[in-house]
Amino acid sequence: DAGITQSPRHKVTETGTPVTLRCHQTENHRYMYWYRQDPGHGLRLIHYSYGVKDTDKGEVSDGYSVSRSKTEDFLLTLESATSSQTSVYFCAISDMAGEDTQYFGPGTRLTVL
Amino acid sequence: EDQVTQSPEALRLQEGESSSLNCSYTVSGLRGLFWYRQDPGKGPEFLFTLYSAGEEKEKERLKATLTKKESFLHITAPKPEDSATYLCAVQAVDSNYQLIWGAGTKLIIKP
Repeated sequence: DAGITQSPRHKVTETGTPVTLRCHQTENHRYMYWYRQDPGHGLRLIHYSYGVKDTDKGEVSDGYSVSRSKTEDFLLTLESATSSQTSVYFCAISDMAGEDTQYFGPGTRLTVL
Repeated sequence: EDQVTQSPEALRLQEGESSSLNCSYTVSGLRGLFWYRQDPGKGPEFLFTLYSAGEEKEKERLKATLTKKESFLHITAPKPEDSATYLCAVQAVDSNYQLIWGAGTKLIIKP
């Protein structure tokens, strides 16, 4: 497996609470991505980063923010969690944009009650 | 609108029974098409990238092919360990490098 870890792996929280998910890589890849995966849907891009402190929005960015202060870490924050944000969240990395292969972490299962 | 559709949603085969999974796409211009395998509770695992119509790639019992409108993932003489969800994604030339994902095909191989 590519050197990608996600923490926590599972989390249950209540509506309205802030939540931060962490993605850590040891591959020194430039690009990092946050996706969510829901039954019946394909993976949907939330935010991505193309370098330290360089981030951009994806398809479903509302309600989420990200930060990348170091090459190896990419944080996803739900400022005020809602039940619609119950999902499995995956982090991915790639060395180049687009054509280069994206490698995925093991995922975080988040439940918002 | 760029779109990726995978079919069937689920496929049950006997061990050794060959078949194909389909990924049809609608994009303004294709930069690349990606196949991944996903096991339950795990992240997607990269299989293949295809860039142009007519291209084929193989890995063990899997072969991916590409036309201008769709891609097929052919599975020859599958084994139970090939059971997984197979995901297809495309990248359009005007997509700012974002991938558009299909919902996946769940493949079950019965011994």
